[in-house]
Amino acid sequence: KNEVEQSPQNLTAQEGEFITINCSYSVGISALHWLQQHPGGGIVSLFMLSSGKKKHGRLIATINIQEKHSSLHITASHPRDSAVYICAVRFVNTGNQFYFGTGTSLTVIP
Amino acid sequence: DTAVSQTPKYLVTQMGNDKSIKCEQNLGHDTMYWYKQDSKKFLKIMFSYNNKELIINETVPNRFSPKSPDKAHLNLHINSLELGDSAVYFCASSPGQGVNIQYFGAGTRLSVL
Repeated sequence: KNEVEQSPQNLTAQEGEFITINCSYSVGISALHWLQQHPGGGIVSLFMLSSGKKKHGRLIATINIQEKHSSLHITASHPRDSAVYICAVRFVNTGNQFYFGTGTSLTVIP
Repeated sequence: DTAVSQTPKYLVTQMGNDKSIKCEQNLGHDTMYWYKQDSKKFLKIMFSYNNKELIINETVPNRFSPKSPDKAHLNLHINSLELGDSAVYFCASSPGQGVNIQYFGAGTRLSVL
């Protein structure tokens, strides 16, 4: 069964804290996508991974294919990082479709 | 010079009406998508087109019909609107079907009364 789970569901952090959001999936994947949805509703793509690690500014995404797990890290968090972070995976047995997690709602307090 | 643009941004309509949402991308991408985000903020794919051809068609009522006049446009027509159709609909595009980042439109908030 193709499943995507994110944890935690909600996260509150103080400004400056290091943040980790987790994504686990049930079977083999060909790609994993991290997205950010702003409070206003707009969706921005952050990373697309199939292996290893990617970094962009204060954001780092890692994936462990053997453990079927990915993490999104935010260093030196800032209130403007407050958003919903969504993990989406493309399973090897489902062609081109991405399955989305339910999202992690992050609030960074000044 | 918005990359993926959807219109309208808000749509309020009565049950039973027929409505359309338009999507255009100026990125030269081959693949376009329609997603539905429900009240619990869960994103689900509805359709995907590659070069004007339908490649993903999830279990969506046949009242929903996508139309792609060219690879830069993917419009969503909804017939006989129902209360449960109320949601935010997102259009997205990507360079192809491979490991590509998808670029999302701003969303269309549909409210069916």
